[in-house]
Amino acid sequence: DAGVIQSPRHEVTEMGQEVTLRCKPISGHDYLFWYRQTMMRGLELLIYFNNNVPIDDSGMPEDRFSAKMPNASFSTLKIQPSEPRDSAVYFCASSSTGRGGTDTQYFGPGTRLTVL
Amino acid sequence: AQSVTQLDSQVPVFEEAPVELRCNYSSSVSVYLFWYVQYPNQGLQLLLKYLSGSTLVKGINGFEAEFNKSQTSFHLRKPSVHISDTAEYFCAVSYSGGSYIPTFGRGTSLIVHP
Repeated sequence: DAGVIQSPRHEVTEMGQEVTLRCKPISGHDYLFWYRQTMMRGLELLIYFNNNVPIDDSGMPEDRFSAKMPNASFSTLKIQPSEPRDSAVYFCASSSTGRGGTDTQYFGPGTRLTVL
Repeated sequence: AQSVTQLDSQVPVFEEAPVELRCNYSSSVSVYLFWYVQYPNQGLQLLLKYLSGSTLVKGINGFEAEFNKSQTSFHLRKPSVHISDTAEYFCAVSYSGGSYIPTFGRGTSLIVHP
């Protein structure tokens, strides 16, 4: 398996523009997570899905952020409009159900977002 | 709510020296504990995890960790580090009676000097 795939790897955009980050989880995994990593706040869980259904989006910072998972092999995280404080590395991770709480999360390489 | 504390934000060490990265978690009846490593410009990957059984867990790249229930700790150790171990290390905990979603610590930056 190719692992978790994220695109783009780098994104530079101007304030006010819409940004869409993409993720393809590992085939067969039924959990998908979106994280944001910054020096100031560390690794933050934004939202996670189980079987394509959003379970907890309490980490989404504000209404400018939205995430979708239209099918088991694809998810997007959208920021509209983007702001400089959204600059961060965004990670997607996936895992399989197994025994609850015991599963390893597999992370993608991340998307480094810079908002000017 | 579950929480994880990594006591050191940065640990500098010389090559071939031993190292310990500390992790404490908030107490609960049954926990699962993880250490992940993040090399520069990469995503996190699993080093090792404790689910049950022996409290000493061995992982990849010569790392090991010991689960100490009485001290609610899960410290990571390596007897002799290499330059290539320079990375960010994250401790994570999940609870069998909770949402099953792990909580990550803030991370510890291990810097190995030649």
